[in-house]
Amino acid sequence: ETGVTQTPRHLVMGMTNKKSLKCEQHLGHNAMYWYKQSAKKPLELMFVYSLEERVENNSVPSRFSPECPNSSHLFLHLHTLQPEDSALYLCASSHSVQATYEQYFGPGTRLTVT
Amino acid sequence: GQNIDQPTEMTATEGAIVQINCTYQTSGFNGLFWYQQHAGEAPTFLSYNVLDGLEEKGRFSSFLSRSKGYSYLLLKELQMKDSASYLCAVTDSNYQLIWGAGTKLIIKP
Repeated sequence: ETGVTQTPRHLVMGMTNKKSLKCEQHLGHNAMYWYKQSAKKPLELMFVYSLEERVENNSVPSRFSPECPNSSHLFLHLHTLQPEDSALYLCASSHSVQATYEQYFGPGTRLTVT
Repeated sequence: GQNIDQPTEMTATEGAIVQINCTYQTSGFNGLFWYQQHAGEAPTFLSYNVLDGLEEKGRFSSFLSRSKGYSYLLLKELQMKDSASYLCAVTDSNYQLIWGAGTKLIIKP
């Protein structure tokens, strides 16, 4: 596998469910990101990790819980979500958190909350 | 506040040239990115400008004017596969990336 992979690609969950999104990067990068992408809106940065340490949490509701066990893997744990959380969730990685390096994105998880 | 403006949607003809504009108001500037995103796919990097001027990369060119807070992406010899959304993003003084909402480009035969 190369680049950034994400699983699952599609997820439908009820508001009382608990699920996790997984991201893996095979690029040797030090920084990893979770974004939320909603139609016709800018990408919303949710979390940033640098070498497994969280460096940014952009006022994301606590029903979203990230985990970075090592520099290659990133998870987003979901629980008691709301219908407005339905969106495309993108994982990305880059050489460094300094945003002068291009980011490499995974294909995303299309999440539908019913 | 910080803001990036791009047209929501543009239409162009196969074989033609199209220019997608991006204007920004950010706290400082440390570079501007353009990404391409096909429907249902991941954004992919196209270009990065940090100095004024035009950078050419095959059929795609990107221009930056820092004094005007303005950039454009120029696509030449349009092909059907260029139908996609084009995202503009600016790195501010804190090295945070600020994203525009993207421009959906529709190519017609």
